[in-house]
Amino acid sequence: KQEVTQIPAALSVPEGENLVLNCSFTDSAIYNLQWFRQDPGKGLTSLLLIQSSQREQTSGRLNASLDKSSGRSTLYIAASQPGDSATYLCALGGFKTIFGAGTRLFVKA
Amino acid sequence: DAGVIQSPRHEVTEMGQEVTLRCKPISGHNSLFWYRQTMMRGLELLIYFNNNVPIDDSGMPEDRFSAKMPNASFSTLKIQPSEPRDSAVYFCASSLHGGANTDTQYFGPGTRLTVL
Repeated sequence: KQEVTQIPAALSVPEGENLVLNCSFTDSAIYNLQWFRQDPGKGLTSLLLIQSSQREQTSGRLNASLDKSSGRSTLYIAASQPGDSATYLCALGGFKTIFGAGTRLFVKA
Repeated sequence: DAGVIQSPRHEVTEMGQEVTLRCKPISGHNSLFWYRQTMMRGLELLIYFNNNVPIDDSGMPEDRFSAKMPNASFSTLKIQPSEPRDSAVYFCASSLHGGANTDTQYFGPGTRLTVL
């Protein structure tokens, strides 16, 4: 059974800091891995999607990597801003989408 | 595009009542998903449809839950009878392609359900 773990559960950093969020999974047979952002009381917004055959994807200050052999993905956020404060979730796509519990990020001004 | 539309945004009901949640996916999307989010269990996939056909409903917790998709632009999730433990935020999402969940899912704003 596929399990998805996100570490840390919560993170507080000063503005401008570069940071890394981690996502690990137990079964390497995945179709894709997606990173989402969720603001309080809102739905999820897709940030990046990495197909199984890819190693990384970049969008602006965000970079996501995928290492299926080790069952890991990281989301790198450069030069963090207070507007980046949100919960970040990773999700494995395939026959059934499975989400991690998320990392709650707070960027202090 | 208006994105995925869900209604109502908030629902408060009493135990035993029937609850119907509604979703309008993004036009042209072939797959639709219903999720439930709680503090204890996180985000769970309940059921997903491909071309209006239910593909996997193994996440539906009990027979009290049912979902339909009568056409490409409308889906409902019904709980009958509702119980306090059904209190959660229910999300609907859609994606462009059918088959396995291989592409980006777009989420609606969610329906916050409270069962008293």
